[in-house]
Amino acid sequence: GESVGLHLPTLSVQEGDNSIINCAYSNSASDYFIWYKQESGKGPQFIIDIRSNMDKRQGQRVTVLLNKTVKHLSLQIAATQPGDSAVYFCAEVSGGSNYKLTFGKGTLLTVNP
Amino acid sequence: DGGITQSPKYLFRKEGQNVTLSCEQNLNHDAMYWYRQDPGQGLRLIYYSQIVNDFQKGDIAEGYSVSREKKESFPLTVTSAQKNPTAFYLCASNTRWSPLHFGNGTRLTVT
Repeated sequence: GESVGLHLPTLSVQEGDNSIINCAYSNSASDYFIWYKQESGKGPQFIIDIRSNMDKRQGQRVTVLLNKTVKHLSLQIAATQPGDSAVYFCAEVSGGSNYKLTFGKGTLLTVNP
Repeated sequence: DGGITQSPKYLFRKEGQNVTLSCEQNLNHDAMYWYRQDPGQGLRLIYYSQIVNDFQKGDIAEGYSVSREKKESFPLTVTSAQKNPTAFYLCASNTRWSPLHFGNGTRLTVT
């Protein structure tokens, strides 16, 4: 069946460094991918999304890269700040529906001052 | 400000009791969803509704029930049939082809 997974369950970086969070997916039919940030005790917040007809998309301090050849998604955070400490989830949408999101287990990012 | 309100933030119940979690949105979104989050696991879909008076089961609907009588509201009832009800419950909404907006969750503890 479909699955979305993360290569690293935890990531610790120094403030100011760049962070890269990875995600692998197995459903080649997935056509929409979303990154969420979840702080402790709160609901996930949308960070950035990308459709399968794109390889790269940039936001404010964040970049998402999509490699369909190896079914890999990454989130890059530039100049990581303590406020970036959170769990990051990738999610994929497939089957032409916008309701069937499959979430990965998440990566805990810790930013050390 | 538009958003999704879940209440209460913390809920405690005795085993064998039904409990209803509230979810209200003022984003004018057509679709609403309930997810369950357990430690070390991703979000799992319980129920979703794409239009008023209609809803569908998600991946783990057993032991749960919902209603969608109004566009703004999508309450979730955790029944006594749910074997492991203690969890963090998240409500979300969206319009078609847009990312989900989440509430801040209700942490349910059943003892």
